[in-house]
Amino acid sequence: DSGVTQTPKHLITATGQRVTLRCSPRSGDLSVYWYQQSLDQGLQFLIQYYNGEERAKGNILERFSAQQFPDLHSELNLSSLELGDSALYFCASSVGPPSRDLSSYNEQFFGPGTRLTVL
Amino acid sequence: KNEVEQSPQNLTAQEGEFITINCSYSVGISALHWLQQHPGGGIVSLFMLSSGKKKHGRLIATINIQEKHSSLHITASHPRDSAVYICAATPQGAQKLVFGQGTRLTINP
Repeated sequence: DSGVTQTPKHLITATGQRVTLRCSPRSGDLSVYWYQQSLDQGLQFLIQYYNGEERAKGNILERFSAQQFPDLHSELNLSSLELGDSALYFCASSVGPPSRDLSSYNEQFFGPGTRLTVL
Repeated sequence: KNEVEQSPQNLTAQEGEFITINCSYSVGISALHWLQQHPGGGIVSLFMLSSGKKKHGRLIATINIQEKHSSLHITASHPRDSAVYICAATPQGAQKLVFGQGTRLTINP
């Protein structure tokens, strides 16, 4: 158990709908990362938050958005869902902070994932 | 070309064999990670390294920064080692991970 929790575990919805995925980081971790794992594209970085602020963006679609709340949990919102959005969505956390000082990098701990199926 | 390449994509071996999975990357990195993903989907971080070698039980990870290459070795492999092993790089100046495509390892009894 990594200490990172994600809900729900499974989500089945229809095209055009909107869903919210939730992540609670490990106690004490300030950074949250979202990743998407699809069959055809593998694991891809979506977005990172540190202490409530967006710090880095990856291959995140405009239909997707995220935020990190004062209690440090994070939500990933996916809207106007398409069949191709079906994937495993992972959240990871680390102590942080993001820094140019390479020695301050911290290991990431992954949550169990949310499996999204869009029908 | 992907920034992180793994080989082989699939590997089947008999219990007890010595296993090597390779990872090459094309960007400057601050850290290289080896992750394990079991059939249930959960991801576990095995190693994070920026130089040299690390060992944990039967698992050994090495990295050659000059050659931009890392290897994951499993000694005395066991069927419970069957999983997908993923190499991921942290580019310099960033904290996101860039992933290889994974190596599916199957160890037969």
